[in-house]
Amino acid sequence: DAKTTQPPSMDCAEGRAANLPCNHSTISGNEYVYWYRQIHSQGPQYIIHGLKNNETNEMASLIITEDRKSSTLILPHATLRDTAVYYCIVRVAGTNSKLTFGKGITLSVRP
Amino acid sequence: NAGVTQTPKFRILKIGQSMTLQCTQDMNHNYMYWYRQDPGMGLKLIYYSVGAGITDKGEVPNGYNVSRSTTEDFPLRLELAAPSQTSVYFCASSFPRGTNTEAFFGQGTRLTVV
Repeated sequence: DAKTTQPPSMDCAEGRAANLPCNHSTISGNEYVYWYRQIHSQGPQYIIHGLKNNETNEMASLIITEDRKSSTLILPHATLRDTAVYYCIVRVAGTNSKLTFGKGITLSVRP
Repeated sequence: NAGVTQTPKFRILKIGQSMTLQCTQDMNHNYMYWYRQDPGMGLKLIYYSVGAGITDKGEVPNGYNVSRSTTEDFPLRLELAAPSQTSVYFCASSFPRGTNTEAFFGQGTRLTVV
């Protein structure tokens, strides 16, 4: 699975959009981008995934660049409960490839 | 829905003791995983299984053993506990459906070895 690079931390104001970047310059054509988050001391939680088209669900939006070398997770209206570590993971879908976590990005939402 | 259940939630072990961390899922998922997470660090894969009777090593398997005799259960065994195994352990399961391989995680077992 391709590697990902995320900044260690960022913050945003409550109610504003949080844009979390991820670089995956070595991504292969059959690899998807997945995002998980881990709220303090809890198990990670799936957020969203995509291949090349932008995706949106009730939690977030995922924007993938045309060359697929980077992506952005958008939380449109961040709340204090969105304070967490967010992991960007690249892997082949539908196979037994391992789910490998990096250090992630720590998002702090301030009041 | 129970999802992924881990027991115990907390445990203190003495050096050299052994224990089994239990993990069970009721979603009929074929893939299961064990991770450890040290303070301030990301998750590291210990072992994983793609189905009953099949297990494979992850990044940090030394000092651990697993078995997968049923689809539901994936216990993690520590034979000779060492302080370096102090960590939070997470179990997860998934069932690939098309492109979605969403993994579901348990709430973790916090282990301290003294």
